[in-house]
Amino acid sequence: ETGVTQTPRHLVMGMTNKKSLKCEQHLGHNAMYWYKQSAKKPLELMFVYNFKEQTENNSVPSRFSPECPNSSHLFLHLHTLQPEDSALYLCASSQLRGGSDEQFFGPGTRLTVL
Amino acid sequence: GQQLNQSPQSMFIQEGEDVSMNCTSSSIFNTWLWYKQDPGEGPVLLIALYKAGELTSNGRLTAQFGITRKDSFLNISASIPSDVGIYFCAGRGNYGQNFVFGPGTRLSVLP
Repeated sequence: ETGVTQTPRHLVMGMTNKKSLKCEQHLGHNAMYWYKQSAKKPLELMFVYNFKEQTENNSVPSRFSPECPNSSHLFLHLHTLQPEDSALYLCASSQLRGGSDEQFFGPGTRLTVL
Repeated sequence: GQQLNQSPQSMFIQEGEDVSMNCTSSSIFNTWLWYKQDPGEGPVLLIALYKAGELTSNGRLTAQFGITRKDSFLNISASIPSDVGIYFCAGRGNYGQNFVFGPGTRLSVLP
């Protein structure tokens, strides 16, 4: 049990759909992250939230829109995606400012864009 | 930007053999993390290293923080079938900076 949950685990969507990915962490951490994992490529950091404030947006296209309503929940809203956006989307959390900052990952959402 | 290289990219070993893999960087890092990822799952943290030269064990796994601070090593002793997976290293500079992840080493264990 990692303490970080993600739903749904699998998602198939068309290019015109709108969907959202959800992440919840039960570790009391204050930072949350979205990563994209594509085949044969290193993990790509997409967004960072620190104390609910977005501190990083790694040149991610606007068709990906994050939301962090509180320090335990993180969403990734998807719209008008492209087939090349198909990947495993991983959420992670860590404790910044006063704690060890190792990142703990959820199980991921496998996204397929048709 | 910063990049990490992992070697080897993949390896096939017999059950019971020891495994060694490494991670190298062009930049100095102050923290190294090692993760294992099973198919269809997220990476699971195995070992965290915070000091140059540090050697840390977690069961049959041992990781070392290289003294140059530009590399790290992971060893697995007496491999078993459940060791199969992809092993990722991650490193970062100062506390609070983002981690950079390596491309992974894919381990296969033959019975």
